[in-house]
Amino acid sequence: DVKVTQSSRYLVKRTGEKVFLECVQDMDHENMFWYRQDPGLGLRLIYFSYDVKMKEKGDIPEGYSVSREKKERFSLILESASTNQTSMYLCASSDPGEQYFGPGTRLTVT
Amino acid sequence: QKEVEQNSGPLSVPEGAIASLNCTYSDRGSQSFFWYRQYSGKSPELIMFIYSNGDKEDGRFTAQLNKASQYVSLLIRDSQPSDSATYLCAVPTGNQFYFGTGTSLTVIP
Repeated sequence: DVKVTQSSRYLVKRTGEKVFLECVQDMDHENMFWYRQDPGLGLRLIYFSYDVKMKEKGDIPEGYSVSREKKERFSLILESASTNQTSMYLCASSDPGEQYFGPGTRLTVT
Repeated sequence: QKEVEQNSGPLSVPEGAIASLNCTYSDRGSQSFFWYRQYSGKSPELIMFIYSNGDKEDGRFTAQLNKASQYVSLLIRDSQPSDSATYLCAVPTGNQFYFGTGTSLTVIP
């Protein structure tokens, strides 16, 4: 079974804090993704990576950065958290084929 | 025009009925199509994929693909209350996946 894990299920941070969300997959997938999901807006792609140290901006990259130093790990960084970044964050990985999601991190920025 | 479009619903069906969920896509070159189920507060779970025109059956689920009309459907037979969830259609293009906004399904006991 494909397994995608995320470092936290729930996270509460203060405005201005630097926030790290970690994602690890165990299937040697080339591609990894970070999405956020908000009611009524669906899944929105923040960044994706198709190889180690390679990254591409998605639809809403502003206020975020990513890091992929190892194939199995893809990190999302909120440089200075703001209240409008309160959301469900979902990591996913894929081969050319199916995409599998982690359990998600519910981030609240106060 | 959005890459993938779904009727957001909500869709309500009685227990035991057939639920029909539809999705249209804009890229004629798309080759594969995926259906995800997402329970409230949980992450999306892959339930079906289809590559070829026609029907693909897996238990109570049937995916239908019509490339000429650019739509893909998911039928759920003998719907159960546990099928109540949001269903997302996804179409990969290159390295990216494009998701619909999802259709909310409620199965009424």
